[in-house]
Amino acid sequence: KAGVTQTPRYLIKTRGQQVTLSCSPISGHRSVSWYQQTPGQGLQFLFEYFSETQRNKGNFPGRFSGRQFSNSRSEMNVSTLELGDSALYLCASSVGRGLETQYFGPGTRLLVL
Amino acid sequence: AQRVTQPEKLLSVFKGAPVELKCNYSYSGSPELFWYVQYSRQRLQLLLRHISRESIKGFTADLNKGETSFHLKKPFAQEEDSAMYYCALPDSWGKLQFGAGTQVVVTP
Repeated sequence: KAGVTQTPRYLIKTRGQQVTLSCSPISGHRSVSWYQQTPGQGLQFLFEYFSETQRNKGNFPGRFSGRQFSNSRSEMNVSTLELGDSALYLCASSVGRGLETQYFGPGTRLLVL
Repeated sequence: AQRVTQPEKLLSVFKGAPVELKCNYSYSGSPELFWYVQYSRQRLQLLLRHISRESIKGFTADLNKGETSFHLKKPFAQEEDSAMYYCALPDSWGKLQFGAGTQVVVTP
């Protein structure tokens, strides 16, 4: 099976702009979670989608949003970008919710100038 | 509150020496813990999880509820074990709380 894929892999934006990141889960996986990875804060949970509904949310401002489509693909959007949003954004998929193993994508590296 | 602590940011060991990565947690229920590994230029991947109780790449981890620990051990480190290791604790819905990570460097 193909692994989790994320597009684009690299992105450069300027402050104030918005960005959309995409994640395609492993076939058959219905849960998609997003994480932000930075050197200072490490890996932090953003949100989780299951059956097109946000089921869980981390402590991030409302500028961070997402959605999930009927084919389980997910997008994450960040509006009004700030310098501190520069990070590696990881997507992970799992078959279901709960204690299922999460499989991670390669990430999208976002640089905000 | 749920919390995962990895006290060592960097662990440098010689090839063939034992390696132990510490992980302590706080969780009110019965925990399920994971170790994830990130090799250079590769994606984050599951190394092992408590519930499966298996040994992967020579690594083992034992859940000690009394000490609230889930330390990762390998008796003989190899150069290919050089990587970033994360201990992770999911809540009941699967949201992963990661520790800060431990960078392991194995020198020949």
